[in-house]
Amino acid sequence: GAVVSQHPSWVICKSGTSVKIECRSLDFQATTMFWYRQFPKQSLMLMATSNEGSKATYEQGVEKDKFLINHASLTLSTLTVTSAHPEDSSFYICSATVDPLLITDTQYFGPGTRLTVL
Amino acid sequence: QKEVEQNSGPLSVPEGAIASLNCTYSDRGSQSFFWYRQYSGKSPELIMSIYSNGDKEDGRFTAQLNKASQYVSLLIRDSQPSDSATYLCAVEPNFGNEKLTFGTGTRLTIIP
Repeated sequence: GAVVSQHPSWVICKSGTSVKIECRSLDFQATTMFWYRQFPKQSLMLMATSNEGSKATYEQGVEKDKFLINHASLTLSTLTVTSAHPEDSSFYICSATVDPLLITDTQYFGPGTRLTVL
Repeated sequence: QKEVEQNSGPLSVPEGAIASLNCTYSDRGSQSFFWYRQYSGKSPELIMSIYSNGDKEDGRFTAQLNKASQYVSLLIRDSQPSDSATYLCAVEPNFGNEKLTFGTGTRLTIIP
């Protein structure tokens, strides 16, 4: 149980294009999903918290107009990197909390999406 | 600013020995603590969660929490080469659906 998937696992795009990354909870309903970014040899940095049916909450310094997050259902959240540039190249990872009753609050991570912008 | 500090390593431990990983945090009110393992190029994988002071054991792994000292550790017994990875400490300020603050991770290498 508690499986989170991401698609695609890797993507290469040209500068100026937009890229959509999907995050799905496969065997549970996730009221809250999180989006992280990890640059090489650095730790995970939270970008935004996504709640189903409401606007995402972005961390300080993260441009909400550049990183569009849509949590359309209890099993799907998407991150769209708009007008991507080489500095957006990174490892993007989503996570979801598995227990809406808050008996546990563990975040389970998807496998990540490696974005390379040329 | 809430911080989570870890020694970046690398930490080298002989196979079969005990690996000890340490983490300190600045927010005294933090409630939930997690250890994740991350292999190179992969996403983090949960190893342990701990919420109360003391020790929590799961197989070869033991998490230790001391809230008074704002310190959490992870012990890995009978270390195996497959344990070679980066170990991330994560702290949550309040229980339930709150954002995690990650340390920078400790790179562990188990020497056969």
